[in-house]
Amino acid sequence: GQQVMQIPQYQHVQEGEDFTTYCNSSTTLSNIQWYKQRPGGHPVFLIQLVKSGEVKKQKRLTFQFGEAKKNSSLHITATQTTDVGTYFCASSRYKLSFGAGTTVTVRA
Amino acid sequence: DVKVTQSSRYLVKRTGEKVFLECVQDMDHENMFWYRQDPGLGLRLIYFSYDVKMKEKGDIPEGYSVSREKKERFSLILESASTNQTSMYLCASSFGASGTNYGYTFGSGTRLTVV
Repeated sequence: GQQVMQIPQYQHVQEGEDFTTYCNSSTTLSNIQWYKQRPGGHPVFLIQLVKSGEVKKQKRLTFQFGEAKKNSSLHITATQTTDVGTYFCASSRYKLSFGAGTTVTVRA
Repeated sequence: DVKVTQSSRYLVKRTGEKVFLECVQDMDHENMFWYRQDPGLGLRLIYFSYDVKMKEKGDIPEGYSVSREKKERFSLILESASTNQTSMYLCASSFGASGTNYGYTFGSGTRLTVV
């Protein structure tokens, strides 16, 4: 698989603030996928990025794929309590390799 | 909606037992996967299958085997359960090796405790 590293491991956010989580690789990635896992739940697919420099938005979530295709970011604006959970990035050529995830908690 | 169903939500087994974890998907996906999830380690791939009767090792296959006799069913077998196999096991399926634009669909997971 294509190895990816995620930072930070934990993110504590005040409700209403913005935050960003990052996904990095030492090698060029063929694609990047993002998943969200709610506490007690299972990972749910959010989005896939394939092109260099690609940016996609889903409401308050903005996903970016780096120009060199070695990193990706997920930016959440105006954090809400519904954003609580662990966000994973994953990449594959033939099978998905997941990062360790960023666990997000929200202070009301 | 694609549904991936894992037969048990919680299992408790004794050391040395042979354990079967079952997974069924209902959307005719070619690809099926078994991951284990442990705190701080993310999801690690155990085995995957691209077709019936086909299997390939993932990153941590030791102590596990799999069976795929039918397209919709992918079973994970712990030949002789050990305490270090206590974990959350997640089954997933996909259309296409990398999941195309629909990603992987995961089951709800089986939390296995080996005592």
